[in-house]
Amino acid sequence: EVQLVQSGAEVKKPGESLKISCKGSGYSFTSYWIGWVRQMPGKGLEWMGIIYPGDSDTRYSPSFQGQVTISADKSISTAYLQWSSLKASDTAMYYCARLEGGGVVTAPLDYWGQGTLVTVSS
Amino acid sequence: DIVMTQSPDSLAVSLGERATINCKSSQSVLYSSNNKNYLAWYQQKPGQPPKLLIYWASTRESGVPDRFSGSGSGTDFTLTISSLQAEDVAVYYCQQYYSTPPHTFGPGTKVDIK
Repeated sequence: EVQLVQSGAEVKKPGESLKISCKGSGYSFTSYWIGWVRQMPGKGLEWMGIIYPGDSDTRYSPSFQGQVTISADKSISTAYLQWSSLKASDTAMYYCARLEGGGVVTAPLDYWGQGTLVTVSS
Repeated sequence: DIVMTQSPDSLAVSLGERATINCKSSQSVLYSSNNKNYLAWYQQKPGQPPKLLIYWASTRESGVPDRFSGSGSGTDFTLTISSLQAEDVAVYYCQQYYSTPPHTFGPGTKVDIK
């Protein structure tokens, strides 16, 4: 069974750093792109970026380029989303999801993690 | 980036009645070489992650009830729930996954029971 299990909720202060995780199981982790999606409170879905764990090829939405870093450690089947300096506006639910279709970038998101709630408040 | 719009923002439908959601892309998401529309629909229930319902504009994901159907091509798409059930109350999003990322989502349509 394909599963993506994300790390737990975080409460941080502005300016702090953070790295959240998404562990894949039940499939070949290195053979599928993993994406990150933001959902701000009461709002819609925003596509942030994707990574191919097999070679760490990464693509970002222009809206998030430079604001976050996406990485992966294929040895432990885990993808990451990190911030170097959080802002209050980063408060949101963050989902990881697998792109269907193996190594193809042009694919929908077929399996989703449960989400990680990040709260940034002074 | 391709901009996705949806209409209406919300709708309320009686149980057993049809619900129709529209999605429009700012440029065509039909890839001529394979005649496929790079368009997906997701359902998000409160407190849950989104769930893939339909991809290639009209192909139902495994396990999705056949009351859900997708149609359209090029820039205009429709998600239809043929007979609304109580468990279908959710927000529905379209997404294009055509060519170079970002693969943008529509703003969502909230479906409630009338």
